[in-house]
Amino acid sequence: DAMVIQNPRYQVTQFGKPVTLSCSQTLNHNVMYWYQQKSSQAPKLLFHYYDKDFNNEADTPDNFQSRRPNTSFCFLDIRSPGLGDAAMYLCATSRGGGIAQKLFFGSGTQLSVL
Amino acid sequence: GDSVTQMEGPVTLSEEAFLTINCTYTATGYPSLFWYVQYPGEGLQLLLKATKADDKGSNKGFEATYRKETTSFHLEKGSVQVSDSAVYFCALSDPSGGGADGLTFGKGTHLIIQP
Repeated sequence: DAMVIQNPRYQVTQFGKPVTLSCSQTLNHNVMYWYQQKSSQAPKLLFHYYDKDFNNEADTPDNFQSRRPNTSFCFLDIRSPGLGDAAMYLCATSRGGGIAQKLFFGSGTQLSVL
Repeated sequence: GDSVTQMEGPVTLSEEAFLTINCTYTATGYPSLFWYVQYPGEGLQLLLKATKADDKGSNKGFEATYRKETTSFHLEKGSVQVSDSAVYFCALSDPSGGGADGLTFGKGTHLIIQP
């Protein structure tokens, strides 16, 4: 019944070792988002895809990349994780681009960097 | 830029108490406003929304009114239950971004309801 699925729930990586987080959706939504949420802070938008169009937030570090090979899947790649990248990463989808669109969230992936 | 400020938690109440979680915002133009809730171990889910001034969003006994004059969207519930224990996020969507630019969130308010 899950609609936005994030795997794994917990991910541990080493300092500087590339890591990939995955997100899949069964909703056939056009838009997929990646948010970073650090402890006691607001979720922060990193980037989003509108269909195949990639939109990067201005302050998203170059260390973070994303891929969307098809409608259902979206990946977050962290090329060289630092200690400051430890956070919860949230994937979300929406049907389209209206400002009142409801976002559907996955349960998140908690990333630890050792 | 856009921002959302909400009261810090945790907020601890007894069952059947009245709840208010304050939320104020700054934005260009006229944003849509949202409350999302995150139950333990789950993703965020939409609780209610309002798209224009004086609109009232409501769901599961929760209400919030879009107040343009005070740039606020406070969340209220008349009688809380233990099952309402969760983290509540106020958020906005700014039309100047064209729509598909995601949401700007507050930091979240952890609500704890004691029996």
